[in-house]
Formats: sequence, C-alpha cells, structure tokens
Amino acid sequence: GAVVSQHPSRVICKSGTSVKIECRSLDFQATTMFWYRQFPKQSLMLMATSNEGSKATYEQGVEKDKFLINHASLTLSTLTVTSAHPEDSSFYICSARTQRGNTEAFFGQGTRLTVV
Amino acid sequence: QKEVEQNSGPLSVPEGAIASLNCTYSDRGSQSFFWYRQYSGKSPELIMFIYSNGDKEDGRFTAQLNKASQYVSLLIRDSQPSDSATYLCAGPLGNQGGKLIFGQGTELSVKP
Repeated sequence: GAVVSQHPSRVICKSGTSVKIECRSLDFQATTMFWYRQFPKQSLMLMATSNEGSKATYEQGVEKDKFLINHASLTLSTLTVTSAHPEDSSFYICSARTQRGNTEAFFGQGTRLTVV
Repeated sequence: QKEVEQNSGPLSVPEGAIASLNCTYSDRGSQSFFWYRQYSGKSPELIMFIYSNGDKEDGRFTAQLNKASQYVSLLIRDSQPSDSATYLCAGPLGNQGGKLIFGQGTELSVKP
C-alpha cells in the first residue's frame, strides 16, 4: 500500500517561533497532498491542498501567510506554522493521493504541535 | 455547504456483538465514501471505501451505501476490544480526488 511519512511526530515550540512539518510519500509520487488539522475531540478539518510546483489552495478561514505550504517535489510537501501561538496547538495531519487519480487518500502519522 | 454527520456516541457494545455506525451526508452528488478508524493520538487509517449502492464486505466489516437516502453505515461483526476507537465517515469535498470532508466521528467502546 501507499506509505506517507510525516515528521516530526511531536513538537513543542515557544510562542512566536515557526515550526516546519514535513510530509513525504515514500513509495509513490504525489502530485497532490492535503493538510488537515484536528483539535481535541473534534474531527479533521481540511486546511489546504498542496500542489506540486504551484501554489497551495487554502480553505476558507485558513490564513495562507500563517500556514506556509511548499510542495517542492513529487514526494515532499512541507507546512510551516509561522509565529505560532498557543491556539495553533493541534494535531496536524497530511494525506496524499496517488497519481492514479483514485479518490483514496493515505494519511501520514500526524504531528502533535504544542505551543507554549 | 457540504456536510457529513455522525452520531458522536459513545457507542458501547459487548465483545462479540455487532457494532453499527451511521453517517448521513448532504451532497446528493457525492459518489464515494470512506470509513476511517482513529485510535487516540494516532492518525486515521482507512478501513473501507464504497462507491456503489448496496453492501460491501471486507472481513468483519460491511459498509452500506444508500444514495437515495444519503446514508452510509459501517457494521462491525464479532466486535473485539481492539476495535475500540473513533470511526470517521468521510465524503468527497469538491471534485478533486482525495480531498475529504469528515464527520465528527463516532467513539466506539467494545467491552470484554
């Protein structure tokens, strides 16, 4: 099956700093990756769609200048949370779709971000 | 606005029983649905997907889709304590494959 690796799994940072989260497709090429956020006891909410070689598409209400997405290659997308605040503390999860165009999406392990 | 609705539970069943998880969706044009299982602190893992009306079986899991009623369900037969998790129903968000809208999840507890 398709494997998506996300790093780091946990990160604690100070308020005001920036944090970068990586999402890699290990055994397939992903032209499109998705970034979700999940607050405690809530479901996953799509933040943005990451497109290889072009700008990300953000969902309504998500600040593109705060959540920087770079999809530099067919196997790597990064999400940078800039000037993090405690309210950004959440579980961030990426997913990737294979090039076959299937509607299935495979999830990374997730990153638990805590801003102190 | 597209919506996917689930009963948040918790749903508690005894070991060996059938667990029934339900989901409704608002977009009549949606063609495919997914059931994910999420253990606490972990990422969702895909259990099943279903595209066609009717039932789809995979081991102890059966997904049912009724497009006329805009209803999708997941049955877990012979429930095991290891099935205790939150089950997320997801449908397509837009026309781009892999882009999903999730329900709020149903917490399932299987008691030994």
